[in-house]
Amino acid sequence: DTEVTQTPKHLVMGMTNKKSLKCEQHMGHRAMYWYKQKAKKPPELMFVYSYEKLSINESVPSRFSPECPNSSLLNLHLHALQPEDSALYLCASSLGLSSYEQYFGPGTRLTVT
Amino acid sequence: GENVEQHPSTLSVQEGDSAVIKCTYSDSASNYFPWYKQELGKGPQLIIDIRSNVGEKKDQRIAVTLNKTAKHFSLHITETQPEDSAVYFCAASSSNTGKLIFGQGTTLQVKP
Repeated sequence: DTEVTQTPKHLVMGMTNKKSLKCEQHMGHRAMYWYKQKAKKPPELMFVYSYEKLSINESVPSRFSPECPNSSLLNLHLHALQPEDSALYLCASSLGLSSYEQYFGPGTRLTVT
Repeated sequence: GENVEQHPSTLSVQEGDSAVIKCTYSDSASNYFPWYKQELGKGPQLIIDIRSNVGEKKDQRIAVTLNKTAKHFSLHITETQPEDSAVYFCAASSSNTGKLIFGQGTTLQVKP
């Protein structure tokens, strides 16, 4: 089983709203990732967690706040977003950090109005 | 930092023909090279990968080749089918951070 699940599939939010994206995997993977993908572009790395600790923050604005409550779950808390933050947000997981296969979820399509 | 270039950006082939997508990378320390297929409205799906200690890997109609000296790697799809139509991304990884550097993507269209 190489399934990463993400909820919700679609999200529309205003610039003053607070919302959260959720990601879950049950493959025993210890590394989890958030990516942002704009139309016709490759995924851009935002955050990396390893063993539930933040390992990489790719200079992401503070209006995006990641959280890893346990080894199977990854959240992305959203607050005061801008219309340019509209994108597909992808979660991925891998066994570890070093040259391991990353498996992606289906993504959350976010629209900021 | 690492840079990955991918060509062509679009590729159209007739069903049954072969398709080849090429990538070059800049960091000679890169040691892991996955290929992803992304269909419309879906997340990227890992279809094949290769590590730097191997020159070629095959899985049914899909193969990947790696030339470490030239810093090139390529995806080969034989006997293409309409369901192979998608965007394909190559990527390279060179450290213990888990960072994948992606190419810009190739939109493959297989005409029936």
